[in-house]
Amino acid sequence: GIQVEQSPPDLILQEGANSTLRCNFSDSVNNLQWFHQNPWGQLINLFYIPSGTKQNGRLSATTVATERYSLLYISSSQTTDSGVYFCAVDEWSSDYKLSFGAGTTVTVRA
Amino acid sequence: NAGVMQNPRHLVRRRGQEARLRCSPMKGHSHVYWYRQLPEEGLKFMVYLQKENIIDESGMPKERFSAEFPKEGPSILRIQQVVRGDSAAYFCASSPRDSDTYEQYFGPGTRLTVT
Repeated sequence: GIQVEQSPPDLILQEGANSTLRCNFSDSVNNLQWFHQNPWGQLINLFYIPSGTKQNGRLSATTVATERYSLLYISSSQTTDSGVYFCAVDEWSSDYKLSFGAGTTVTVRA
Repeated sequence: NAGVMQNPRHLVRRRGQEARLRCSPMKGHSHVYWYRQLPEEGLKFMVYLQKENIIDESGMPKERFSAEFPKEGPSILRIQQVVRGDSAAYFCASSPRDSDTYEQYFGPGTRLTVT
């Protein structure tokens, strides 16, 4: 099956700092999504971004499908950004079965 | 437009009991997916259903687990004779599956604890 690798595994930030999270995937995809799992365990949809660039407030994401990676940018981080960020992709031949990366755990300190 | 709803949010069962997890997809969505998040194992696909049909259950354990999505009402994930290893967060997602997007919308999850 498709492999999804996220880096770094852990990230500690001071409030106000910027950061970049990376997701590499091993095959062509129809779907790439970024999620934030908050400290209460809820999965929050951040971006649906199989290609191109999107922005939503302080968050933005870019996917370069031809090179099989995606980046999630967090700017001016806040303590509420803490949690685990997951990248998930489908397989080209199985376009409903999302495979998740192991996640990046982000801790933002006041 | 209400999001994907799951209930209960927290469920405690003793070993050997049955657990029923419910998922109501977003309005207009006819495709439902279940995922499980086990400690130390990450999020894994379990099953994909359309109304009255199981499309792919390749991620479901072969025994004790079943899923349905009836013509009327929510999708149900049923776990019979629960064991401690079933303790996990179970997430449901839905999608419209139209030609323009493959995006899946996730619910808040049900946290199952087996004592």
